[in-house]
Amino acid sequence: NAGVTQTPKFQVLKTGQSMTLQCAQDMNHNSMYWYRQDPGMGLRLIYYSASEGTTDKGEVPNGYNVSRLNKREFSLRLESAAPSQTSVYFCASSEALDYEQYFGPGTRLTVT
Amino acid sequence: GESVGLHLPTLSVQEGDNSIINCAYSNSASDYFIWYKQESGKGPQFIIDIRSNMDKRQGQRVTVLLNKTVKHLSLQIAATQPGDSAVYFCAENVNAGGTSYGKLTFGQGTILTVHP
Repeated sequence: NAGVTQTPKFQVLKTGQSMTLQCAQDMNHNSMYWYRQDPGMGLRLIYYSASEGTTDKGEVPNGYNVSRLNKREFSLRLESAAPSQTSVYFCASSEALDYEQYFGPGTRLTVT
Repeated sequence: GESVGLHLPTLSVQEGDNSIINCAYSNSASDYFIWYKQESGKGPQFIIDIRSNMDKRQGQRVTVLLNKTVKHLSLQIAATQPGDSAVYFCAENVNAGGTSYGKLTFGQGTILTVHP
């Protein structure tokens, strides 16, 4: 039982490049989330998916897109990376929207 | 430019002491609160949660207190150990009209350092 897994662990992009961050959970959770964490700060919600087939914007959605591929997987795409998107990205899942969220290990992204 | 969020509150304690970490939340419509622990280089780890119909909840070595009157949350750690050293975040979930937004809002975090 791996919990929440994320790939890749590290990534360096040049400005304007695109990439997709992958997330999968094996806890049969309905809800999944993407957050970013900047140095010395708490987490900010980018997008979330209450259940398979739905996605909604969070606090900081600009520059990102998401896909809820199936119940297990929720991907985050950066179409044209910018230096302001340098951050650590965390995926999380929960049984439902107002239950505790379980986090993956994070992806450390640097955009130069 | 302004370095918002770079100067986290800190708490230093001796091993064996009790620790109290405080959090002020902003939205009176918040009905669910969670404490997370984050160690360096790792994702946040769930510690304990509390819903707004309670004012106290206990776990193993941890207690969360909720004061809705002043919108204040605290985490008490008994007999603090060096392994408790981490950044601790409180998070609130806003409920509007019986429907959860599903958007956890995280506090800035508090750095806890436990000295042997």
